[in-house]
Amino acid sequence: AQSVTQPDIHITVSEGASLELRCNYSYGATPYLFWYVQSPGQGLQLLLKYFSGDTLVQGIKGFEAEFKRSQSSFNLRKPSVHWSDAAEYFCAVGAVSGGYNKLIFGAGTRLAVHP
Amino acid sequence: NAGVTQTPKFQVLKTGQSMTLQCAQDMNHNSMYWYRQDPGMGLRLIYYSASEGTTDKGEVPNGYNVSRLNKREFSLRLESAAPSQTSVYFCASSGAGVQPQHFGDGTRLSIL
Repeated sequence: AQSVTQPDIHITVSEGASLELRCNYSYGATPYLFWYVQSPGQGLQLLLKYFSGDTLVQGIKGFEAEFKRSQSSFNLRKPSVHWSDAAEYFCAVGAVSGGYNKLIFGAGTRLAVHP
Repeated sequence: NAGVTQTPKFQVLKTGQSMTLQCAQDMNHNSMYWYRQDPGMGLRLIYYSASEGTTDKGEVPNGYNVSRLNKREFSLRLESAAPSQTSVYFCASSGAGVQPQHFGDGTRLSIL
């Protein structure tokens, strides 16, 4: 069965520090992978997606993610965190199933940024 | 540039009351979805509509019904609300194939 694990529930970093959020997935075929961000009181906004090709994917707001098939991982990174990056981050694996676009979400990682 | 619009944004119900959550998208997407979000559990799919005229159950459909009114609109109904349905509800839409889903801002529902 498809599943997504985000091992870190909460992460705190200092502004200007680098960030890596972990995501591991379980999926039988080549996965389609997504990272979404949710600011307080808001919906989910797509940060980036991986469908195929280059395993290093660039997204919005200076984020990038690397797909590693051998580790079943799709970790999200940012070289220098800004206070406005404080939010909850969700990794998701997608597939077309029964004619619809199915997404399985991880439980999320809440990021706090210290000044 | 509205994207996915959900109404209402907040609602408080008493146990046993009924309510319909509304969702509309202006991106001409075929597929629409309803999720609930609970702390520590990510988003769980309640119902989806792959195309106009079709609806199917997701992971947690019990206690809910849906209607795909037309291509733009997809509503979620709670016939007899229960405290366990206190949650944040998100509507989403997507185009054909494996495409990102676009989310509304959510409806925060409390059932007393």
